[in-house]
Amino acid sequence: EAQVTQNPRYLITVTGKKLTVTCSQNMNHEYMSWYRQDPGLGLRQIYYSMNVEVTDKGDVPEGYKVSRKEKRNFPLILESPSPNQTSLYFCASSVQGANGYTFGSGTRLTVV
Amino acid sequence: QKEVEQNSGPLSVPEGAIASLNCTYSDRVSQSFFWYRQYSGKSPELIMSIYSNGDKEDGRFTAQLNKASQYVSLLIRDSQPSDSATYLCAVNLGGSYIPTFGRGTSLIVHP
Repeated sequence: EAQVTQNPRYLITVTGKKLTVTCSQNMNHEYMSWYRQDPGLGLRQIYYSMNVEVTDKGDVPEGYKVSRKEKRNFPLILESPSPNQTSLYFCASSVQGANGYTFGSGTRLTVV
Repeated sequence: QKEVEQNSGPLSVPEGAIASLNCTYSDRVSQSFFWYRQYSGKSPELIMSIYSNGDKEDGRFTAQLNKASQYVSLLIRDSQPSDSATYLCAVNLGGSYIPTFGRGTSLIVHP
């Protein structure tokens, strides 16, 4: 089944404890992107990647890192999480950015 | 500032009616436009894409694009309670391959 897989689905962590949210797609898509979704603010882009080893900042990149060492994987790293990073995170991929994106199931992160 | 604007709603329509959802965007050179549906607690799902001026129909859904006026709309005919969801407009602003999303319009279809 063609899909974008994110893990974990739910995560509660403490301020300052490094964490990684994994994202993997099995559709051989070139483009991958991370979004966060907050009530009243909608989906905001964190980082995106147009190919292996090619990443760029989105609208809200502060406090996040990404890497794209393989085409299928695009992990999101929070080096020192803070409570304002409590959010619902989505990974998405696209065969070519003009075709629309397939979203993962989401990761609900709570930082206390 | 590059933006995609939607009325947050909620838009409430009776079952069987036409629901009309609207979206405006800030950039005249945008070429790719999308509508996503998001049920509560779920991830966004692509339901329509449109690239040229005019209408594009897919089942009960029709997307309408007017680049000169910088708006894109989604019509849902014969609305069903199962259509109740938040509808997200997304635009590849400025020729980007990465979509910018509106904040979404909540649609409620009541029996």
